[in-house]
Amino acid sequence: SAVISQKPSRDICQRGTSLTIQCQVDSQVTMMFWYRQQPGQSLTLIATANQGSEATYESGFVIDKFPISRPNLTFSTLTVSNMSPEDSSIYLCSVTGGAFGYTFGSGTRLTVV
Amino acid sequence: KQEVTQIPAALSVPEGENLVLNCSFTDSAIYNLQWFRQDPGKGLTSLLLIQSSQREQTSGRLNASLDKSSGRSTLYIAASQPGDSATYLCAVYGQNFVFGPGTRLSVLP
Repeated sequence: SAVISQKPSRDICQRGTSLTIQCQVDSQVTMMFWYRQQPGQSLTLIATANQGSEATYESGFVIDKFPISRPNLTFSTLTVSNMSPEDSSIYLCSVTGGAFGYTFGSGTRLTVV
Repeated sequence: KQEVTQIPAALSVPEGENLVLNCSFTDSAIYNLQWFRQDPGKGLTSLLLIQSSQREQTSGRLNASLDKSSGRSTLYIAASQPGDSATYLCAVYGQNFVFGPGTRLSVLP
C-alpha cells in the first residue's frame, strides 16, 4: 500500500492567519482525499482532489476557506484560510489503494488561538 | 444516506481479556469495510480490510467479520495488551467512504 508523508505534524496558529498542509505520496495516485476530525468527533470528508482539475468539495466546505492544490499525481496541499478557533482539528489526507483499502497520512494537529 | 454506528463508545478492560467491538451500517450496498486504529492526536492506521464478498479477515490477534445483509461487522481482539489502547474506527465504502464515531479502548495493565 502507499506511504504518505504529511506535514506539519502539528501547529499552533493565530486567528486570521492561514496554514498550508502538505501530503506527499510515494506512488502516483489519481485521487487524494482531505478529511477533518474535530475534537472528539469522527472524520468528515472535506474534498476530493484530482490532478489537473478543481477539487470537489463536500457540503459545508468551500474553496475560499479550504483551497486545495494538486499539481501532480504524488502531491497535494490543503490550506486552512482565515483561521478561527473553530478550525482547531486534526486534518488528514488519504489515498485509496484499491485492494489495500484507504491509507492515511499521520495527520496535522492544528490549534488556533 | 449511509450511517455508521459503533458500540460501545468506550471500553476499559484488564490486560489479557478478549474483546469485541461492534460496527453497524444502514446501507448494505458497500464495496468493502475497513477497520482503523487511531492513537490520540495522530493519523489512522489500517488494521483490516474486508471486501464485500468476504466474511472475515484475520491479522495476528485481530479478527474482523462482515455480515453485509445485516449491516454489521465485528472486530475481535484476542489477549488484549496495554499497547492496544487507542480509538478504533470502522469505515464503509459504498458511494463514498463513511466513518463510524469510533470506540475508545483502554487496556489496563
